[in-house]
Amino acid sequence: AQSVTQLDSQVPVFEEAPVELRCNYSSSVSVYLFWYVQYPNQGLQLLLKYLSGSTLVKGINGFEAEFNKSQTSFHLRKPSVHISDTAEYFCAVIQHGSSNTGKLIFGQGTTLQVKP
Amino acid sequence: DSGVTQTPKHLITATGQRVTLRCSPRSGDLSVYWYQQSLDQGLQFLIQYYNGEERAKGNILERFSAQQFPDLHSELNLSSLELGDSALYFCASSVRGRADTQYFGPGTRLTVL
Repeated sequence: AQSVTQLDSQVPVFEEAPVELRCNYSSSVSVYLFWYVQYPNQGLQLLLKYLSGSTLVKGINGFEAEFNKSQTSFHLRKPSVHISDTAEYFCAVIQHGSSNTGKLIFGQGTTLQVKP
Repeated sequence: DSGVTQTPKHLITATGQRVTLRCSPRSGDLSVYWYQQSLDQGLQFLIQYYNGEERAKGNILERFSAQQFPDLHSELNLSSLELGDSALYFCASSVRGRADTQYFGPGTRLTVL
């Protein structure tokens, strides 16, 4: 079984400051890793994903994440945030080899609050 | 716009009632997934269909059922509704063989009074 822990439920930050949203996972098998963003009253949008290869993954809107297998972490970072980045962010995993089964396991979410 | 559509956007009903949520996947996507987002449980996988057949099951209650039709749209049926069923229900779709890339619809907000 897999589980995902997002270490901060809320992260307040000032505009143009850097931010890191932390995610740890637990799994007995290899997993793919994802970050999704949910803007108010909207659905989930994929920010980035790690499937294989380089452990530093770049996504949309200037976000990036680094996969650390030894620490079972997949932290999300952005060097300079904007007011428009205010949203809920979800870390998620899916078991390897799930070519036609797609049970995404989500963390509890982190609310990023960007202040002017 | 992900290309996944869900209707209705909002649904308000009473306890004990039955509702049907509808999802149309992106053109060409064979897999449909249903997720529930609630304040106490967070985002949970409910069920997946692939080309009309059930493929994976998660924490779906026995009062809930789903199906995928030949035109690939899917419906999630919720019956004997309870207050705790109030949640946002998302549908997602993916192309064949790429469960790692799921596109989410805007969701249906269900309120049970």
